[in-house]
Amino acid sequence: QSVLTQPPSVSAAPGQKVTISCSGSSSNIGNNYVSWYQQLPGTAPKLLIYDNNKRPSGIPDRFSGSKSGTSATLGITGLQTGDEADYYCGTWDSSLSAGSNWVFGGGTKLTVL
Amino acid sequence: QVQLQQSGPGLVKPSQTLSLTCAISGDSVSSNSAAWNWIRQSPSRGLEWLGRTYYRSKWYNDYAVSVKSRITINPDTSKNQFSLQLNSVTPEDTAVYYCARAWRGFSWYFDLWGRGTLVTVSS
Repeated sequence: QSVLTQPPSVSAAPGQKVTISCSGSSSNIGNNYVSWYQQLPGTAPKLLIYDNNKRPSGIPDRFSGSKSGTSATLGITGLQTGDEADYYCGTWDSSLSAGSNWVFGGGTKLTVL
Repeated sequence: QVQLQQSGPGLVKPSQTLSLTCAISGDSVSSNSAAWNWIRQSPSRGLEWLGRTYYRSKWYNDYAVSVKSRITINPDTSKNQFSLQLNSVTPEDTAVYYCARAWRGFSWYFDLWGRGTLVTVSS
């Protein structure tokens, strides 16, 4: 059971838009910045979004991020078949009982129909 | 261009020590801006951050609570690399292990990943 909750799967047609949610709590998303990662089959994760809504160089503006309260959202517009991948959110989690740990969501598999 | 090159055995026996190395090219393990991390991924546990080492006038280490009693991450400045040692492994430690660079904007994020090493714990 991941600390951050993501839907297991989402799907949409090519050219459409999809959003992926990441739900946490005040000990993680509520008080920290969120980053998002794309993992294509058989490869390492790749940074898509950092500091809630910033894109690294080379990431197209079809990808966007936002945060509100204890939840974050990844948006992808103009879906392409090459976007089929697993997507993960991540942030720091600080709790009195467990100290500070980096945590990831359980991942969302995107299918482009 | 910064690259991370992982090395280490793909098979470890139960109760023994898992050891992996991550060689850095294009950056320095002693960088004052980066932190050097180990992350693993398995079907049962998903992506799991294990720990990090970083230099800010002196060396620091942070470890995940789940492995804190068994893990050591060490920098090697002479070879510009860092290593992971995980003691007393069990089959539950079977996973793909990644090394990753963390960079800090407003907060930390993993901007560079190694290719991953599948480590199987089995007799």
